[in-house]
Amino acid sequence: AQSVTQLDSQVPVFEEAPVELRCNYSSSVSVYLFWYVQYPNQGLQLLLKYLSGSTLVKGINGFEAEFNKSQTSFHLRKPSVHISDTAEYFCAVSSYGGSQGNLIFGKGTKLSVKP
Amino acid sequence: DTGVSQDPRHKITKRGQNVTFRCDPISEHNRLYWYRQTLGQGPEFLTYFQNEAQLEKSRLLSDRFSAERPKGSFSTLEIQRTEQGDSAMYLCASNLGQNYGYTFGSGTRLTVV
Repeated sequence: AQSVTQLDSQVPVFEEAPVELRCNYSSSVSVYLFWYVQYPNQGLQLLLKYLSGSTLVKGINGFEAEFNKSQTSFHLRKPSVHISDTAEYFCAVSSYGGSQGNLIFGKGTKLSVKP
Repeated sequence: DTGVSQDPRHKITKRGQNVTFRCDPISEHNRLYWYRQTLGQGPEFLTYFQNEAQLEKSRLLSDRFSAERPKGSFSTLEIQRTEQGDSAMYLCASNLGQNYGYTFGSGTRLTVV
């Protein structure tokens, strides 16, 4: 079975500062990894995904994430945040070739960008 | 195509009533998923369809829950005899396969009073 741990429930940061949202996963098989963003009262929007290949993945809105297999991590980073980045961010994992429907989410990290 | 559509956006119902939600996926997507999200939690998988076949159901999907996708296009999720614990955001997603990522709708927020 897979699991996802997002180490910080809330991350406050000032505008134009860098940010890292941490995600660790547990799985006995190869995985696909995803980061989603959720704005209030909306669904989830895909930021980026790791399927295979290069461990550094670039996504939308200037976000990137790095897959580290040895540390089973997939941390999300942005070098300079904007007020509009205030939202909740979810890390998710699905097992390659496993349960096709079961995308496992972490509990989320609320990013609050202050002026 | 404008993405995954869910209807209604909000539903308030009295305990014990039945409710039905609808999801219209992206037209070429053959896979459709239902998730439930409660306050302060990440979404939890409920069930998924490939075309019209329901291939997987979570243990969270009690006997009061039923989902259908009769023609392999839109899907409905029905909750019978609603309970206060059913209050949540119900999210629908679709894709062409696991490695394509999941496109989510805006969700249906259910409040059981």
